[in-house]
Amino acid sequence: GQSLEQPSEVTAVEGAIVQINCTYQTSGFYGLSWYQQHDGGAPTFLSYNALDGLEETGRFSSFLSRSDSYGYLLLQELQMKDSASYFCAVPLGQGGKLIFGQGTELSVKP
Amino acid sequence: DADVTQTPRNRITKTGKRIMLECSQTKGHDRMYWYRQDPGLGLRLIYYSFDVKDINKGEISDGYSVSRQAQAKFSLSLESAIPNQTALYFCATSEGQGSNQPQHFGDGTRLSIL
Repeated sequence: GQSLEQPSEVTAVEGAIVQINCTYQTSGFYGLSWYQQHDGGAPTFLSYNALDGLEETGRFSSFLSRSDSYGYLLLQELQMKDSASYFCAVPLGQGGKLIFGQGTELSVKP
Repeated sequence: DADVTQTPRNRITKTGKRIMLECSQTKGHDRMYWYRQDPGLGLRLIYYSFDVKDINKGEISDGYSVSRQAQAKFSLSLESAIPNQTALYFCATSEGQGSNQPQHFGDGTRLSIL
């Protein structure tokens, strides 16, 4: 079966860097995605990694190591508005169905 | 206007009632999904549809049914609601066939069953 593990909570201060880890177990691997959700609102897509390495999009970067079944989301220059829940997700096969991790609640303190 | 619209946004109802949650999209995507979110459990897939004639069960389909009335509309029904179906429900869409396609979510329906 498929499963993903990520920390339930992370706290950091404004301006800092924070890393949210995700380990996964899948019967086949097609990529790792990250989503952000503010206060029970609509989750929004942040990034997708299919190959090993770091993908950078502004203040957010995402990393994947397929050999370690591990990825992380890196948030730099943290802002208060980054306080949210962050979910990693993997596809079930190539069809686009996703399995989500339980989410990491990030609290950014002044 | 939102690309993925869910109605109602909030609903309180009683055990045993039939409930329909509706989702419509203007993104022109073929693929649509229904998820349920419970505190601490992330999002779990209930049903998904890859086109109008295609309906598939997800992880937790028991107690739910769906209808894909058109490319733009995908509704979720609870035939006889029970309290443990109290949750936040999300509809999502995606384009194309690849696993790299992002999913686009509606704002959710908060459902409470008493």
